[in-house]
Amino acid sequence: QSALTQPASVSGSPGQSITISCTGTSSDIGGYNYVSWYQQHPGKAPKVMIYEVSNRPSGVSNRFSGSKSGNTASLTISGLQAEDEADYYCNSYTSSDTYVFGTGTKVTVL
Amino acid sequence: EVQLVESGGNLVQPGGSLRLSCVASGFTFSSHWMHWVRQAPGKGLVWVSQINPDGRITTYAESVKGRISISRDNTKNTLYLDMNSLRADDTAMYYCARGDNWHYQYWGQGTLVTVSS
Repeated sequence: QSALTQPASVSGSPGQSITISCTGTSSDIGGYNYVSWYQQHPGKAPKVMIYEVSNRPSGVSNRFSGSKSGNTASLTISGLQAEDEADYYCNSYTSSDTYVFGTGTKVTVL
Repeated sequence: EVQLVESGGNLVQPGGSLRLSCVASGFTFSSHWMHWVRQAPGKGLVWVSQINPDGRITTYAESVKGRISISRDNTKNTLYLDMNSLRADDTAMYYCARGDNWHYQYWGQGTLVTVSS
C-alpha cells in the first residue's frame, strides 16, 4: 500500500486560508468516508483534527474543515494562526482492511 | 483521563528482537481496537498494525508482515508489539493509538527503537 500523496509544504500569511490535498485511489480515499487528518508539532504525538472526512472532534477549532471529492481529500485551515505551523498528515482506511497515511505536509505561517 | 504509555524501546542490533508495551488507562481497554503507528527520524507517520477488542483479529502493513506481531492482554490493559529480525529501517518512534470510528483519538508519547550495530 503506497502512501497517500500530499504536497511537501504549504505556506500562508496570518489570517489567510490554506488547503492541503491528499490524493489516493479508489481502494482507499475514493472507496470509504474514513479519512482523518492529524496535526503534529515537533517532538509531539499527533493530534486528530478531522475524522470521517469532515467531522471535527470536540475541542478542535472550527477554523479546520475537511472535504473529499473522488480520490482526493482536502484539509482547509482558515484564519491561519502562528500556532497552526506544524506537520499535517491524512489517513485513510483501505480495502485491505489496513490504514495508510499521507506523505505529510509542512505548514509554514509566514 | 485517557492515557497511553509506551515502553520497551531500546538500541538493538540488526537481526535482533524487541517487545514494546503500551499500558492503557482511563477507558475500557477491552472495548477498543488498538493500533501501532511508527515514525522514522525526520520522516512521516506509517501505520503498522491493528488488533480488535478481543485480540482475535489482527492486520499488518505489508512492510512488517511476518516480522511483527501485535497482541493484547485485556486483564492488564496492555497492548504489545513483538518485533523480530529487526532491520535498520525499523528504526523509529513507535506510537500506540486508540481506534475510534476509523481514526485515532488518543496517542501515547511514543517509545524509540534504534536498530544499529
